[in-house]
Amino acid sequence: QKEVEQNSGPLSVPEGAIASLNCTYSDRGSQSFFWYRQYSGKSPELIMFIYSNGDKEDGRFTAQLNKASQYVSLLIRDSQPSDSATYLCAVKGDILTGGGNKLTFGTGTQLKVEL
Amino acid sequence: KAGVTQTPRYLIKTRGQQVTLSCSPISGHRSVSWYQQTPGQGLQFLFEYFSETQRNKGNFPGRFSGRQFSNSRSEMNVSTLELGDSALYLCASSSGGTNEKLFFGSGTQLSVL
Repeated sequence: QKEVEQNSGPLSVPEGAIASLNCTYSDRGSQSFFWYRQYSGKSPELIMFIYSNGDKEDGRFTAQLNKASQYVSLLIRDSQPSDSATYLCAVKGDILTGGGNKLTFGTGTQLKVEL
Repeated sequence: KAGVTQTPRYLIKTRGQQVTLSCSPISGHRSVSWYQQTPGQGLQFLFEYFSETQRNKGNFPGRFSGRQFSNSRSEMNVSTLELGDSALYLCASSSGGTNEKLFFGSGTQLSVL
């Protein structure tokens, strides 16, 4: 079982729709959760982070975390063609168990927003 | 504030050679992490340096090494290059505390022929 799992996609949504991206993780001690966006040929760009159970909203983005189910998701409202990219879920472990600043990444979900 | 700077942007090497990549973190950041990204394996953690000390290490062979200088700039070295080392090497910096966010540089694209 991979430590961080994402559906590779592509996930296709029409412009203006809500895109829902999901991620599961295996380490119950994980403390911090991040979503990065990566355009083709570019480096990952941090778009959301969440540490506590529940929802966190920032503009059109909402991150949702459920530690009991070991599940984190990203919702993108009013999807735009410029949102077309690969979205990487990253998990940081418990610093007491050696997590430090080591991020474990999923392989990413490719999102395509169609006109 | 300037972002994370990586040099060079592109490198072409042949098998058996060695290579050194450089990373300058965001000003004030003391933690530098290195990641390898390939189409097949995705992003994989190489190592992290904090205050000139290696704080974390991933599951890569000893051919991959790094160091950090007193100004927080970091270098990674790959010796005896193999074809499979062809990848995008990304450096990320953070202030180094718990739950800190990582910010990535543009990466160095290494091709081993």
